[in-house]
Amino acid sequence: NAGVMQNPRHLVRRRGQEARLRCSPMKGHSHVYWYRQLPEEGLKFMVYLQKENIIDESGMPKERFSAEFPKEGPSILRIQQVVRGDSAAYFCASSPGEQPQHFGDGTRLSIL
Amino acid sequence: QKEVEQNSGPLSVPEGAIASLNCTYSDRGSQSFFWYRQYSGKSPELIMFIYSNGDKEDGRFTAQLNKASQYVSLLIRDSQPSDSATYLCAVKGNSGGSNYKLTFGKGTLLTVNP
Repeated sequence: NAGVMQNPRHLVRRRGQEARLRCSPMKGHSHVYWYRQLPEEGLKFMVYLQKENIIDESGMPKERFSAEFPKEGPSILRIQQVVRGDSAAYFCASSPGEQPQHFGDGTRLSIL
Repeated sequence: QKEVEQNSGPLSVPEGAIASLNCTYSDRGSQSFFWYRQYSGKSPELIMFIYSNGDKEDGRFTAQLNKASQYVSLLIRDSQPSDSATYLCAVKGNSGGSNYKLTFGKGTLLTVNP
């Protein structure tokens, strides 16, 4: 009964490096959402994707951040030239459609 | 700016008591309401969702929704120490590109004392 799978669980990067976060949705789920949780803050919506399409990226910073959900393989959230302010927990959620979203265990990103 | 407000807590209750968690939201067009439980360092876990005014019960949990007052609550009966966690209220709209994204409150930390 595999849930939403995210990897890596922890990721350490130095300033200026790239971070790649992966998310495999639950079986049968074609909708993927990425959220960011900063310390002492609530979860904030970043981007919503369906297979091969970005539906809404309004919550994602315009620069350095990108997301994809290819026909084959996991969804990827990519952060280029990371800065200290990118340190956060990044959660992926999936749903089969307009149904409740189920979350993965997240990736804790730390920037040195 | 669509907002979801929760008391940050901590809310402390003795074991066996009823814990009452509250949430208000600003977007009157919101249609779907969710409660997630998040243990420290873990993922949010869906425990209840409610779409219609009134009460919805599932085991020891009851969600209550009042759209006129823009208020949603979660009651936990017979609270157990294992219920100690942060409870996140989340709201989803129905139009204008908001019928899929969840807007979260910052969460209420619940501590159940043995």
